[in-house]
Amino acid sequence: QLHLQESGPGLVKPSETLSLSCTVSGDSFNKTTYYWGWIRQPPGKGLEWIATISHTGSKYYNPSLRRRLELFVDTSKSQFSLKLYSMTAADTAVYYCARENSETSFDVWGLGTLVTVSS
Amino acid sequence: AIQLTQSPSSLSASVGDRVTITCRTSQDIASALSWYQQKPGRPPKLLIYDAARLEVGVPSRFSGGGSGRDFTLTISGLQPEDCATYYCQHFYGYPWTFGQGTAVELK
Repeated sequence: QLHLQESGPGLVKPSETLSLSCTVSGDSFNKTTYYWGWIRQPPGKGLEWIATISHTGSKYYNPSLRRRLELFVDTSKSQFSLKLYSMTAADTAVYYCARENSETSFDVWGLGTLVTVSS
Repeated sequence: AIQLTQSPSSLSASVGDRVTITCRTSQDIASALSWYQQKPGRPPKLLIYDAARLEVGVPSRFSGGGSGRDFTLTISGLQPEDCATYYCQHFYGYPWTFGQGTAVELK
């Protein structure tokens, strides 16, 4: 059974950097049909795709976030990560990691982690 | 980026009703569309991919249709556990985008 678990701080100060990781348990991390994505959801609002990375390091970004975003992958730990710089209150959201299956769907999701930007 | 517009934004229906949600895209995306169900405090759950393919384990009362720019998600016989918000998402080339969501509640 594939399981994804987000980890990171629940609170970030304005202008600081958010670092989030997602650990994947199961045997699919290095399969070429799977990519790994980040999606966020501000409180009471809809879903926004942030970015996607493959286990080989191919990266795809939401253009609205690209300038503030870095993605990383660590295949030895079956883990992928993001850094989002210059955080503002508008970045307050539940951040989800998810498996992207053959560019057809996000078929497995983590439970999400709430990140609040506040001083 | 491709824009997705869902309608209605919310609806109220009775148990057993047939419910249809539509998703219109700003350009032709063939059948590259997925549907998700999200309940409060939970991550989204995949229901449909490739516009009409039912994800394993999803009840058969859920069905997807359409191609090109116009898509539908139908619940044939609404159940109380179907009360949730439903999102469409395209997979026709990065960047991916989601519809704004449709909230389904019981009348």
